[in-house]
Amino acid sequence: SAVISQKPSRDICQRGTSLTIQCQVDSQVTMMFWYRQQPGQSLTLIATANQGSEATYESGFVIDKFPISRPNLTFSTLTVSNMSPEDSSIYLCSVGRANTEAFFGQGTRLTVV
Amino acid sequence: QQQVKQSPQSLIVQKGGISIINCAYENTAFDYFPWYQQFPGKGPALLIAIRPDVSEKKEGRFTISFNKSAKQFSLHIMDSQPGDSATYFCAAKTLNQAGTALIFGKGTTLSVSS
Repeated sequence: SAVISQKPSRDICQRGTSLTIQCQVDSQVTMMFWYRQQPGQSLTLIATANQGSEATYESGFVIDKFPISRPNLTFSTLTVSNMSPEDSSIYLCSVGRANTEAFFGQGTRLTVV
Repeated sequence: QQQVKQSPQSLIVQKGGISIINCAYENTAFDYFPWYQQFPGKGPALLIAIRPDVSEKKEGRFTISFNKSAKQFSLHIMDSQPGDSATYFCAAKTLNQAGTALIFGKGTTLSVSS
């Protein structure tokens, strides 16, 4: 298994500002994934972060809005830029290796006011 | 092709009863089917998972039934308890493709009444 720590666990932010979410894993992993879970909804993949290369974004998500860093094999950040109330969600990072299940962090509950 | 359809959206079960949640998929390349349990304010936690080479997997009170020909799989919670009240997500992915993420169903909110 993998232990994933996300920071912050929650935040309330003003519209127009940006928030950077950190994800730390207790072991080296190749792939890290960032998901968004809107209130009462399922998980939607934002992007896949591979160390040493640019993140791959899913349809509907762009790098300017959700820049991602992956400086090493145990850490990644997701920034939610120029926030609006529609960005209020839980943001989750997960890790997985080929042929193993995915493990999730506790999530970051973001409220934009 | 990438969707995973989950039903029902919500479920109320009496304590001691059986909870059944169903999922269907379209992409025949999927070869890993996990179920996640999520409590309010927490991230999803892996509950049980199955590969398509078996038709059933049981872990304690939780059983996955898998029907490859119908492209369906279901979660059965036996002797449901109030502590099982949570949101359950089915998911699917292709394990042999490095970098593929999980595709999630929309979730089922389970309430077990005492």
